[in-house]
Amino acid sequence: AQSVSQHNHHVILSEAASLELGCNYSYGGTVNLFWYVQYPGQHLQLLLKYFSGDPLVKGIKGFEAEFIKSKFSFNLRKPSVQWSDTAEYFCAVGDSSYKLIFGSGTRLLVRP
Amino acid sequence: NAGVTQTPKFQVLKTGQSMTLQCAQDMNHNSMYWYRQDPGMGLRLIYYSASEGTTDKGEVPNGYNVSRLNKREFSLRLESAAPSQTSVYFCASSEIRGQGMPHTEAFFGQGTRLTVV
Repeated sequence: AQSVSQHNHHVILSEAASLELGCNYSYGGTVNLFWYVQYPGQHLQLLLKYFSGDPLVKGIKGFEAEFIKSKFSFNLRKPSVQWSDTAEYFCAVGDSSYKLIFGSGTRLLVRP
Repeated sequence: NAGVTQTPKFQVLKTGQSMTLQCAQDMNHNSMYWYRQDPGMGLRLIYYSASEGTTDKGEVPNGYNVSRLNKREFSLRLESAAPSQTSVYFCASSEIRGQGMPHTEAFFGQGTRLTVV
């Protein structure tokens, strides 16, 4: 069965620091890849998505992610985080079974 | 444009009681999902419906049933609530890109916070 691993459960950064959150998935076939963000008390919102083409995708709020097929990875990056980026981040994978499976999430705290 | 609407937003149940969580989407999506969110465990898929008339088990289906009433509506039922079902429940919908192809991004409802005492 498809599984998604997020290696960092809690990350604490200072403002202006760079961010990289890891995500690995297990399915070897055709996949769609997503990063979602959940601000405190809110529902999930899409940050960015990868379907095909350029493996480096750019999303909202300065986030980007790189798809490395050989490593089954889709890591999220941001060059300079802001206090407002404090949230929980989820990686998700959709495959041809029509399931959409999420990782366990990474809580990011950005200190002013 | 409402997107995905869930009701109720909050609910407290006693152990053994039953209830149905309602979800409706107005984006004409084929696929709908029910997830539960628990601290440290992310979102776990309970059931999903790839298209109207079909439902399938996800990662944690025990204790739940679902009904895809029509293309718009997908309900989740707890027949006999247990404290372990205390959680935040999210409904989502998405579109399939093509036969056998993964789907597009999912849109989420605001969630239902359920407490079973």
